[in-house]
Amino acid sequence: EVQLVESGGGLVQPGGSLRLSCAASGFTVSSNYMSWVRQAPGKGLEWVSVIYSGGSTYYADSVKGRFTISRHNSKNTLYLQMNSLRAEDTAVYYCARALTTVVKGGSYYFDYWGQGTLVTVSS
Amino acid sequence: SYVLTQPPSVSVAPGQTARITCGGNNIGSKSVHWYQQKPGQAPVLVVYDDSDRPSGIPERFSGSNSGNTATLTISRVEAGDEADYYCQVWDSSSDHEVFGGGTKLTVL
Repeated sequence: EVQLVESGGGLVQPGGSLRLSCAASGFTVSSNYMSWVRQAPGKGLEWVSVIYSGGSTYYADSVKGRFTISRHNSKNTLYLQMNSLRAEDTAVYYCARALTTVVKGGSYYFDYWGQGTLVTVSS
Repeated sequence: SYVLTQPPSVSVAPGQTARITCGGNNIGSKSVHWYQQKPGQAPVLVVYDDSDRPSGIPERFSGSNSGNTATLTISRVEAGDEADYYCQVWDSSSDHEVFGGGTKLTVL
């Protein structure tokens, strides 16, 4: 059974750092595309970052240069290192497995999601 | 950057058909994926690649995509379908995923 369990959220001051973890079971993180998606309180979903199975990484403009996505293959765990945090980064952060598709030139979608971890940036 | 536009809300009576739209420039050339999110829960994939359903998703959920509009159709709506629905595409020009703003489905 596929499971994703996030941890590491909490209260942090503006300018601070936090590292989120997403422990996976039932599949191999390094063989899949993996993403972080966030949701500010009362708002919609916002894609944050993706790491491809080959190791390439991409970021939303809003977090580029401040956040880093990575994985630990032997721990089968995905990470999101968040630096220089701002109030607008306050959100529930979900990790999700992304399945690729070749339809219409290629795409990927999220078939499994974790339960989310809340990050609050406030003084 | 690519923008997806959804109506903020859609209301439908039980047993009727709900249609939730997702607008984007030439969205018909992209694969569109749809998610259902109930309060306090993680999103759930309900349609991928415009019109395919993951296992476990009722046949009442279907999708279509053409021109500048993709549509999620929910037939014979039930009270349990009340949720927020989001469309999603991959913007190949930026290697970014894009979500629509979400539509709140209310079952009257």
